[in-house]
Amino acid sequence: DIQMTQSPSTLSASVGDRVTITCRASQIIHGWLAWYQQKPGKAPKILIYEASTLESGVPSRFSGSESGTEFTLTISSLQPDDFATYYCQQYNHHPLTFGGGTKVEIK
Amino acid sequence: EVYLVESGGGLVQPGGSLRLSCAASGFTFSSYWMTWVRQAPGKGLEWVANIKQDGSEKYYVDSVKGRFTISRDNAKNSVFLQMNSLRAEDTAVYYCATTPNTGYQGNWGQGTLVTVSS
Repeated sequence: DIQMTQSPSTLSASVGDRVTITCRASQIIHGWLAWYQQKPGKAPKILIYEASTLESGVPSRFSGSESGTEFTLTISSLQPDDFATYYCQQYNHHPLTFGGGTKVEIK
Repeated sequence: EVYLVESGGGLVQPGGSLRLSCAASGFTFSSYWMTWVRQAPGKGLEWVANIKQDGSEKYYVDSVKGRFTISRDNAKNSVFLQMNSLRAEDTAVYYCATTPNTGYQGNWGQGTLVTVSS
């Protein structure tokens, strides 16, 4: 199975900060990576797929990038609505696997 | 607008069975793979299973193989998860989700809670 190692597990930041979350795959996944946002008690929401394609309706402050087996989610200027938990997921190979999550907290 | 409504969750004893349903509307159901993802209380997301548009391909996470069966009824715009031989570690909120051909989960339902306990 492909392991997805996400870091950090928790991140404390302030409104307006630039935030970066990293996900590393245990093998090449050819860019087949998605990022999700989840708020407490709610279903996850797709933000980015194919490593860098922004889902329709998602604010442009969110972006994704890829370098080999390392993937990055960047929030350019953190907004109050962005405090949530973020997950990466590889969908290159079954079983599909998620990273452990990054909780973005208010500093 | 896409709607996915899960049902069928509840409290079940270890070794018991449950059948989850997910009713879909607002999109062409037969054009999408469908996926079940679960989340244990206070834990992260775990992909469980998915099924191709015509039901000809199905995939499962190892921990549920031989116990869970995913199926779909395109005439009724529904996907199902039959869960047998349930264990305490199957306790989770179960979400169904649409899945474009490439494999990520696009739209999600609100989830249904399955609790396995004596």
